[in-house]
Amino acid sequence: DIVMTQTPLSLSVTPGLPASISCKSSQSLLHSDGKTYLYWYLQKPGQSPQVLIYEVSNRFSGVPDRFSGSGSGTDFTLKISRVEAEDVGVYYCMQSIQLPTFGQGTRLEIK
Amino acid sequence: QVQLVQSGAEVKKPGASVKVSCKASGYSFRNYGISWVRQAPGQGLEWMGWISAYNGNTNLAQKFQGRVTMTTETSTSTAYMELRSLRSDDTAVYFCGRVRTRGLDYWGQGTLVIVSS
Repeated sequence: DIVMTQTPLSLSVTPGLPASISCKSSQSLLHSDGKTYLYWYLQKPGQSPQVLIYEVSNRFSGVPDRFSGSGSGTDFTLKISRVEAEDVGVYYCMQSIQLPTFGQGTRLEIK
Repeated sequence: QVQLVQSGAEVKKPGASVKVSCKASGYSFRNYGISWVRQAPGQGLEWMGWISAYNGNTNLAQKFQGRVTMTTETSTSTAYMELRSLRSDDTAVYFCGRVRTRGLDYWGQGTLVIVSS
């Protein structure tokens, strides 16, 4: 299985300031079809997960442009340019080049 | 709009089985797969498996092979996940999700399954 490792596991951010979450995979997520199967999800308190980013850097419909994804191969980053109160929750990366696996999650709280 | 509505909470005894449903609406059911993901209390997300709504092909995480059956009923746009030989560590919220480009884009609201004697 591909192991996904997120850092940090928690972060506390002042509203209006940026935040960044790293996700590293134990194997390259670049598929022979040219796509990289790395996703980012946010699970707000008491809710189901919601997709933010698909295939490394594509924002899902309706996701604010303060969220951005980047990376390649085995190293990926989710950035929030200006954190808002509604961004609180647990962020997960997920790979699906093989049978899907999730990172441990990164809990974001507001200072 | 795309919606996935799951069945209600269940309480089961160890050794029993549970079958969770996931009714889809707002899109052509057969054109997408359905994945199942579970979350134990206070824990992270665990992918269980995937089923094609087009032909019923499945792909299960190794730890669930032999204990999980995933099916679909195209006439009602409903997917099912049955988990057998329940143990206390199967206590979790079970989510279904529509699969698009290998990721889940829309998720159900979750079904709490409690396994307790």
